[in-house]
Amino acid sequence: AQSVTQLDSQVPVFEEAPVELRCNYSSSVSVYLFWYVQYPNQGLQLLLKYLSGSTLVESINGFEAEFNKSQTSFHLRKPSVHISDTAEYFCAVRRSNSGYALNFGKGTSLLVTP
Amino acid sequence: IAGITQAPTSQILAAGRRMTLRCTQDMRHNAMYWYRQDLGLGLRLIHYSNTAGTTGKGEVPDGYSVSRANTDDFPLTLASAVPSQTSVYFCASSDSPTGNYGYTFGSGTRLTVV
Repeated sequence: AQSVTQLDSQVPVFEEAPVELRCNYSSSVSVYLFWYVQYPNQGLQLLLKYLSGSTLVESINGFEAEFNKSQTSFHLRKPSVHISDTAEYFCAVRRSNSGYALNFGKGTSLLVTP
Repeated sequence: IAGITQAPTSQILAAGRRMTLRCTQDMRHNAMYWYRQDLGLGLRLIHYSNTAGTTGKGEVPDGYSVSRANTDDFPLTLASAVPSQTSVYFCASSDSPTGNYGYTFGSGTRLTVV
């Protein structure tokens, strides 16, 4: 079965510092991985995704994630965070059954302070 | 604005009552999903539908039912609500039957069963 584990439930960081949110996956088939962001009292928004090809994927707001098959990881990084990046971040992997639905991790709360 | 509309936004429900959470999308997406979000557990799949007329069970389907009479609507029904169904419910859709294009999420329904 496909699953993801987010290794940190909370990550506090100062503004303009770099950040890494860790995600490991488990899958016996081809892997399709996603990162979603959830701002307070809102639904989730797609941040970026890895389907195939280049192992480094980028979002429009400066986040990037690298697919690492040998380490079964898909960590999310940003070189310099802003206060507005404060949110809950979810890693997800596509199932091979159940309508190709996504399995989500438990989430990592990123708190950016001045 | 194209997207997913969920109703109601929030609801307090007496245990034992029947309740239908509504979900409507205007993007003509084939696949639709219902998730529940609980603190510390992330999002868990309740039911899904790959196309109008078909539905399937996710990982936590007990106590819930769905229907998909047309492309746009995907209501979730709690036949007899119990306190453990207190949660935030998210409806999502995807324009790819394989889910590879990511999901569009609604803003959620916060349900409290007392």
